[in-house]
Amino acid sequence: ILNVEQSPQSLHVQEGDSTNFTCSFPSSNFYALHWYRWETAKSPEALFVMTLNGDEKKKGRISATLNTKEGYSYLYIKGSQPEDSATYLCAFSGGSQGNLIFGKGTKLSVKP
Amino acid sequence: DAGVIQSPRHEVTEMGQEVTLRCKPISGHDYLFWYRQTMMRGLELLIYFNNNVPIDDSGMPEDRFSAKMPNASFSTLKIQPSEPRDSAVYFCASSFGGGGFYNEQFFGPGTRLTVL
Repeated sequence: ILNVEQSPQSLHVQEGDSTNFTCSFPSSNFYALHWYRWETAKSPEALFVMTLNGDEKKKGRISATLNTKEGYSYLYIKGSQPEDSATYLCAFSGGSQGNLIFGKGTKLSVKP
Repeated sequence: DAGVIQSPRHEVTEMGQEVTLRCKPISGHDYLFWYRQTMMRGLELLIYFNNNVPIDDSGMPEDRFSAKMPNASFSTLKIQPSEPRDSAVYFCASSFGGGGFYNEQFFGPGTRLTVL
């Protein structure tokens, strides 16, 4: 059974703090790793799709790194803002004809 | 583009009734995915299509669940008969190319299903 673990489950930070979360996934048969941002009462929105070991991607204040050999990805948010409050999901794919296994997410709350 | 469209947004039904959820993917996308989100299990992939053909339905929980994609712009997920444990939010998503999992997926707003 493929397992995707995210930590921490939840995080409370102050506006302006920088933060990061972890996604752990199987290190064999890697195909792609997705990060999604999911605001309450909305639908998941893609942040990044990462496919190569050592990949680093950035979108504004949010960036992500990927280590496929050891099976983890980090998501970083620099200078958190209240509008960053959401659940951040990662999802692992182990093959082009396979599945997309989602973690349970990290719920981020940013206090003004 | 209006994005992925799902209907209805909310559905309340009684146990034993048939439920049909509908999805219109983004025009030009060749992959369509159905997901179910519950508190216990999180977001789970139920089935996905490529060019209207079902590729993997291993996530479909039981024979009570079926999905069709008669054309590139429409898909249905049907539950017959429905049970209270089917209560969840059902998301449809679409993407273009990349074998289905190499490119970002665009999610619809979801259908919140409650089975009494």
